[in-house]
Amino acid sequence: EVQLVESGGRLVQPGGSLRLSCVDSEFTFRTENMNWVRQAPGKGLEWLSYINKDSSVRFYADSVKGRFSISRDNAKNSLYLQMNSLRDEDSAIYYCARGFGSSWFAHWGQGTLVIVSS
Amino acid sequence: QAVVTQEPSLTVSPGGTVTLTCGSSTGPVTSSHYPYWFQQKPGQAPRTLIYDTDNKHSWTPARFSGSLLGGKGALTLSGALPEDEADYYCFLSFPGSRFAFGPGTKVTVL
Repeated sequence: EVQLVESGGRLVQPGGSLRLSCVDSEFTFRTENMNWVRQAPGKGLEWLSYINKDSSVRFYADSVKGRFSISRDNAKNSLYLQMNSLRDEDSAIYYCARGFGSSWFAHWGQGTLVIVSS
Repeated sequence: QAVVTQEPSLTVSPGGTVTLTCGSSTGPVTSSHYPYWFQQKPGQAPRTLIYDTDNKHSWTPARFSGSLLGGKGALTLSGALPEDEADYYCFLSFPGSRFAFGPGTKVTVL
């Protein structure tokens, strides 16, 4: 069974930076596309970023373009989200999601909480 | 920027049928929007039910089905169970590599 474990979330001041990680239990990580999605407290889901299996294609939501950067290390079965210039409105649970075949979001992690506050 | 629309809330009786829809401010939703449907229960991560309009994952209960209906993406729940009470989100892809979730539909089984 695929297991995704996010980490790196914590309390950070506005303007600060944070790097989130997502580790996949399956060696097939390198064959699948990955996404980051977030959910502010009591709010809906917001798609943030996509990276394909060999990192040659990356997409970003307008809300994070230029501030966030997605990357992956297939040798470590790991996905990352570098978040810079953090704002209060970036406070949310951040989920990684792994694709399977043509599905972008077959498997989800349990999320990591980011709080941006002074 | 495209806005995705969903019903804020729907109620279905146990054993009943309910259809959730997913619209786009840019026009009719088609298979080219590759509609997804997700279920999320309180305190849990989302679970993907449907991808690419009508494809199910191995874990998707048979009572859930996806389709296009009246220019919108649709998720139909037939034979609702109490455990189906949850928030349901759709997701659409748009030209120019733009992607968005809908605001979600809260489904009550009552």
